[in-house]
Amino acid sequence: QQQVKQSPQSLIVQKGGIPIINCAYENTAFDYFPWYQQFPGKGPALLIAIRPDVSEKKEGRFTISFNKSAKQFSLHIMDSQPGDSATYFCAARFGGSSNTGKLIFGQGTTLQVKP
Amino acid sequence: DGGITQSPKYLFRKEGQNVTLSCEQNLNHDAMYWYRQDPGQGLRLIYYSQIVNDFQKGDIAEGYSVSREKKESFPLTVTSAQKNPTAFYLCASSGPSRGNYEQYFGPGTRLTVT
Repeated sequence: QQQVKQSPQSLIVQKGGIPIINCAYENTAFDYFPWYQQFPGKGPALLIAIRPDVSEKKEGRFTISFNKSAKQFSLHIMDSQPGDSATYFCAARFGGSSNTGKLIFGQGTTLQVKP
Repeated sequence: DGGITQSPKYLFRKEGQNVTLSCEQNLNHDAMYWYRQDPGQGLRLIYYSQIVNDFQKGDIAEGYSVSREKKESFPLTVTSAQKNPTAFYLCASSGPSRGNYEQYFGPGTRLTVT
């Protein structure tokens, strides 16, 4: 119930394509869903985040789609560039009285954008 | 220049030795976290602290110890009891602990034990 399942494990697209990374969860106590981008040898950087009362959020070329009833959310990267090649992690945080601030992370997706 | 610093970037130790990884933040965050990252296994929580002088075990605390004597600092000791210590270690912070949702990461320390 505490897991966040992320797919695919790896993804290769051509420049300009729209890679989509999916995450699913079971626990309805999660109330915050961030995405992180990590380059090799670096710490993850917060990319974009969403609350479950919103179905979509856009920041630049990055969009999160959220389906509360299906308990799924996804990251779309518009007009992908070779510089977007990185590992992407979704995460979820418990809300309410059980809020400890800690995040549950998905397994990660390694994205390669070919020139 | 605010942020989270981890030192050193690379650390090498002999098997059987304890080693302490440093994590400092000047973001005035209450909560701090330690994660371990292995290839293909994502981020696994080792320990976290929501306030000074208090900390809780995460999912893989065995073989590790922490202290939180100052708000800015959350050092992690990898003890000789940790069976497979070679990994990439990441420190993070967020704050206030029950308000701000955003968790920020440091640059990481790569520990190699031979």
